[in-house]
Amino acid sequence: ETGVTQTPRHLVMGMTNKKSLKCEQHLGHNAMYWYKQSAKKPLELMFVYNFKEQTENNSVPSRFSPECPNSSHLFLHLHTLQPEDSALYLCASSQGSGGVYNEQFFGPGTRLTVL
Amino acid sequence: SQQGEEDPQALSIQEGENATMNCSYKTSINNLQWYRQNSGRGLVHLILIRSNEREKHSGRLRVTLDTSKKSSSLLITASRAADTASYFCATPTGGSYIPTFGRGTSLIVHP
Repeated sequence: ETGVTQTPRHLVMGMTNKKSLKCEQHLGHNAMYWYKQSAKKPLELMFVYNFKEQTENNSVPSRFSPECPNSSHLFLHLHTLQPEDSALYLCASSQGSGGVYNEQFFGPGTRLTVL
Repeated sequence: SQQGEEDPQALSIQEGENATMNCSYKTSINNLQWYRQNSGRGLVHLILIRSNEREKHSGRLRVTLDTSKKSSSLLITASRAADTASYFCATPTGGSYIPTFGRGTSLIVHP
């Protein structure tokens, strides 16, 4: 739909599990983002990668670990999560620091439930 | 920190009516963007307006920007049930290229 894909679309995990979320963009962008969206809260920026370098980490707990092996792929590794981490996790991409206006293209999201 | 704030938080209208939602922001910007999100899905970019523009149109969408009041409005004319979604404004914070999103306006269009 938007050139940004996310897998899986739905994930249920226990607090002791380890899982990973994957994001891939086919738009030739240089920046990729992870957002967390919880009910009745603003979209929370978690991590930003620009040209494969992490440029933003908004005080995200260490149980969330991002990985950006190249400009097209972004992962979010999850371990020992808490029930309050249940949310919709959105990946986005944009031109990055070289672009002026940086319209963001979002993936469909992964609905995460932590039991 | 949150830059933009949409108003109202929720809006319920009948099909065919116009829907207007507003966004206020705190610091100077070089652009403002509006996005739509259907329930449980990713956000979709609708329109970008630059700081030197006052009004922009895209189909049934009309966006205005008043930099003196630090506010923007999104007007959807002749609304349809398919317009039911949440609408977000996004503005870059400080000198960053990264847009910051508000809480959104939840629009329901009744058929």
